[in-house]
Amino acid sequence: EVQLVRSGPGVKKPGTTLKIFCKVSGFNFTDYYMHWVQQAPGKGLEWMGLVDPDDGETIYADKFQGRVTMTADTSTDTVYMELSSLTSEDTAVYYCARGGRLGDLSSPVDYWGQGTLVIVSS
Amino acid sequence: QSVLTQPPSASGTPGQRVTISCSGSSSNIGTNYVYWYQHLPGTAPKVLIYRNNQRPSGVPDRFSGSKSGTSASLAISELRSEDEAEYYCATWDDSLRGQVFGGGTKVAVL
Repeated sequence: EVQLVRSGPGVKKPGTTLKIFCKVSGFNFTDYYMHWVQQAPGKGLEWMGLVDPDDGETIYADKFQGRVTMTADTSTDTVYMELSSLTSEDTAVYYCARGGRLGDLSSPVDYWGQGTLVIVSS
Repeated sequence: QSVLTQPPSASGTPGQRVTISCSGSSSNIGTNYVYWYQHLPGTAPKVLIYRNNQRPSGVPDRFSGSKSGTSASLAISELRSEDEAEYYCATWDDSLRGQVFGGGTKVAVL
């Protein structure tokens, strides 16, 4: 059974950096791209980017380029997402999700984690 | 403003059929597979349709997807109260080099 277990919710101060993780099981971690998706309160889903767990290569959405870093730890089958220079607009639920098999960039995500709520507030 | 365009809402009475449209362009829907997700509050989104018209095991055949040119659609037949949710289309955009979502359609069962 595919499972994506996310880190717990948190509150961050403006200007700081958040780092959340997602531990996966039920499939070969290094065979699939891993994505992160943001959903701000009352808003739709917004793709943030992806990481190739096998070689660490990343693709980021323009909106988050320069502020986001996605990494993967193959020793623990865990993906991480760091978002810096936080503002109140980064208050959102952040989902990790499995994408297509390596080499198949264009396949959208299929399995999703439960989502991590992050509140940015002073 | 989402890259893919969906109506913000749709509704129907139990037993009716509801169709949700998703409009894109040649760099996204026109070239790549479309997925549809059902999202209930407080839960993880769930794939309803993958590769334009394929249903994962466990998804009722009341849900069906289609694609033509740069548009796609999701149909829900025999509408049930448990179908009340937000529905999103998604695909890959070759120009943006990223996954793109529709803005979401909230389905209400009257």
